[in-house]
Amino acid sequence: QSVLTQPPSVSAAPGQKVTISCSGSNSNIGNNYVSWYQHLPGTAPKRLIYDNNKRPSGIPDRFSGSKSGTSATLGITGLQTGDEADYYCGTWDSSLSAGVFGGGTKLTVL
Amino acid sequence: QVQLVQSGSELKRPGASVKVSCKASGYTFTGPSINWVRQAPGQGLEWMGWINTNTGNPTYAQDFTGRFVFSLDASVSTAYLQIDSLKTEDTAVYYCARDRATIDFDLWGQGTLVTVSS
Repeated sequence: QSVLTQPPSVSAAPGQKVTISCSGSNSNIGNNYVSWYQHLPGTAPKRLIYDNNKRPSGIPDRFSGSKSGTSATLGITGLQTGDEADYYCGTWDSSLSAGVFGGGTKLTVL
Repeated sequence: QVQLVQSGSELKRPGASVKVSCKASGYTFTGPSINWVRQAPGQGLEWMGWINTNTGNPTYAQDFTGRFVFSLDASVSTAYLQIDSLKTEDTAVYYCARDRATIDFDLWGQGTLVTVSS
């Protein structure tokens, strides 16, 4: 059971938009920065978003992040088949003194 | 080129030990911490802990105390994960990752598959 809660799966058609939620508590999301990672099977995870809403260089602006209270959201617009992957949110949990990830969300581009 | 390169896949018997390496290049190794993340088959990412690359001091997540050891050799810009008394449930892909701040992993190794089977 992950400390951060994500939907197991989301799906949308090519060109459409999707959002992935990440729900936590005051000890993690509520008081710490959130990062988002894209993970394709057999490859290293790739950071998409850091500090809640910042994109590293090289990440297209189709990817966006936001945070409100104890929840964070990853948005992806203009979906492409290459976006099919698992997506994880991650942050620090001050009560556990540990890093925590969401359970992951599998994105299917229909 | 800024990268973390991990050692290759391992097949071990239960009760054996394994040591996974994570070699950094293209940046100053001492500074950002190196974290370890596990992905068991069919499961999500799990944070194992981190090692301070300045002091060598390790910090372990609660589920990874006892049999897991983080170490480093700064002279060759390499971090290590050793797992002792391997169990079948240790079968997983293990990743090292550079932490830019706190659980903000901007650089990942390619992963090392450790298979524990009799």
